[in-house]
This record gives sequence, structure tokens and C-alpha cells, in this order.
Amino acid sequence: GAGVSQSPRYKVAKRGQDVALRCDPISGHVSLFWYQQALGQGPEFLTYFQNEAQLDKSGLPSDRFFAERPEGSVSTLKIQRTQQEDSAVYLCASSLWAGTSNQPQHFGDGTRLSIL
Amino acid sequence: AQKITQTQPGMFVQEKEAVTLDCTYDTSDQSYGLFWYKQPSSGEMIFLIYQGSYDEQNATEGRYSLNFQKARKSANLVISASQLGDSAMYFCAMREGLVKAAGNKLTFGGGTRVLVKP
Repeated sequence: GAGVSQSPRYKVAKRGQDVALRCDPISGHVSLFWYQQALGQGPEFLTYFQNEAQLDKSGLPSDRFFAERPEGSVSTLKIQRTQQEDSAVYLCASSLWAGTSNQPQHFGDGTRLSIL
Repeated sequence: AQKITQTQPGMFVQEKEAVTLDCTYDTSDQSYGLFWYKQPSSGEMIFLIYQGSYDEQNATEGRYSLNFQKARKSANLVISASQLGDSAMYFCAMREGLVKAAGNKLTFGGGTRVLVKP
């Protein structure tokens, strides 16, 4: 596709449920990033993939958060046993190659997650 | 300490006038990149402009320019001839350690909300 595609656009879940958020990056982009954006704040890094390899997961807030990109394209962010503090917008971004200094990250529209 | 600081939570600007959005950063790396993104109410993050730490000239992209003062660790965004469509949140972000093999995550500031008045 032309841009980064994320689904669903909105997700409402009850506390304790598991959720899965999908990201389809720009075709050919090697690098994929997940960010969490709380209301009124800037995005915060969660995890980074280079192709199918998860090279940095230092931003994942707990072991309830899990991300995968098995074929080096589509990625899924899974949150288990959701809690109210997980409510946020989850942004996915991709870039051609993270190792090139001036490559911008291109973002999707995000998934707005609300935990009741 | 905050790595990216945007001290202006909100600003009004008159249509057709210029506006400067402040951004200061903190890093011990010699090689880094600075980015500005625009986030309209629809939520998407739109890349505007990039400045590398070794770039000698200030970056420009259309109506956007970056006032890069390396010694002061500031990278202010200037929007010239403001338009109504410029109303949005603006985020400054930094990518550190460009020589590293992995990572290159972006660290964002808290953002500045700009409202353009007709």
C-alpha cells in the first residue's frame, strides 16, 4: 500500500482481555517500530524490528506486551490481560533502513485502545 | 533529564504569519538526527523536516525551516506563511547513536499545539 496501515482503528476491551493490534508497513521497508502515545503526550518507543528480527524491545512496559513480525512484513502487537493504564494510541512506523541517518520513520494512523 | 524539551504547550498564530516552535535536546552522542513531525487531530504523524548533527546548513523543506544551533543544543522549527491547515500538534524528535547497528528509535518531546487564526 501507499502508507503504513494499522487495524483496528479503534479497540475497546474489558480489563483482563487480550488484544491484538496489526501493522502493515510500507512495502519494502526493512525497519518497523511500535510506539505508545498517551493522551496529550509524545509517543514513546516500545519495540523495533529489522526484518523479522526483534532487535530492541527495551520499551515494552511489561511481559504482558508481546510483538512479532514473523515474515518480516506485517507486525502484531499483543497485549495480554489488559489493564486500564494500557489505554493509549499505539502507533506503528516503518522506514527503509534504520541504519541510514536521514531516513524518516513513516507512521500509520494508530490504533486507539480503550480499556474499560 | 528530558532528552527532548518543548517548552511551549500551545501557541496561537495569525494566518500568513511565521511561527517558531522551540526544541532543545540533550545527548552525549556526536552523531544524531533531529526530526519534526506534525500530528493533526486525525492522529497521523506526518514527517516534516530532518537535520543531521553534522549538517552544516539549516534544513529547509518548503515553508518549513529548521534553526539548528548545535552549541546550544536547539533545533527550532520555523513555519512561514502559516495556513489554517497548519493547526496541529508538532513534535520534535531525536535519533541518537547513528553508528549503532540497531535501535535508532525516536525520542519525542511533549509537543506544541499550534492554532492558526484566520
